[in-house]
Amino acid sequence: QVQLQESGPGLVKASETLSLTCTVSGLSITTDYYWGWVRQPPGKGLEWIGDINHSGSTDYNPSLKSRVTISLDTSKNQVSLKLSSVTAADTAVYYCSRANGDYPGYIFDIWGQGTMVTVSS
Amino acid sequence: QSVLTQPPSASGTPGQRVTISCSGSRSNIGSNYVYWYQQLPGTAPKLLIYRNNQRPSGVPDRFSGSKSGTSASLAISGLRSEDEADYYCAAWDVRLRVLFGGGTKLTVL
Repeated sequence: QVQLQESGPGLVKASETLSLTCTVSGLSITTDYYWGWVRQPPGKGLEWIGDINHSGSTDYNPSLKSRVTISLDTSKNQVSLKLSSVTAADTAVYYCSRANGDYPGYIFDIWGQGTMVTVSS
Repeated sequence: QSVLTQPPSASGTPGQRVTISCSGSRSNIGSNYVYWYQQLPGTAPKLLIYRNNQRPSGVPDRFSGSKSGTSASLAISGLRSEDEADYYCAAWDVRLRVLFGGGTKLTVL
């Protein structure tokens, strides 16, 4: 079955770049799906960060767009997230998710277990 | 403050029917599909309802969704202890793209 696994540093210094990887197994990321990132600050709700489709087209949360880059590594079947100039407000559990396009929105049908990232000052 | 407004909490006793509301506007719920996600304690969200009222395979028919105008609701009938979780609505917004509600914590008394 399709599985997603997030990985990356659990601690990032303020003003630096947060980098996470989502390794997808059981399905090629070049298949006709979207691959998204959603985060959840401790004790708070979900926030969509952005996503990328199988051909590399991206869509970002307008509030994060200037700091976010999502890309595909087809050789490793991985999706990556980079968030620059982080602050304490970026401390959260970061989830990778597969999405079906449901124009104009998405159906996030498979999720990774999430990875906690703490921004230190 | 989320654009999609949900009550922060809801509760019910086993066997009861509970509903969770999600209020938005014409630019999101009013013109697009609503989705619902269930997040059990310490776990990742799980898709519960898509396209307002459709259940993915494996989701019990105790869960149902509806939409009217700029609001949507999730109903859970025959409440069970394992339904205790956080529930999030979601919708596409013309300007803000993907929106999640603030979440509702459901307690089974």
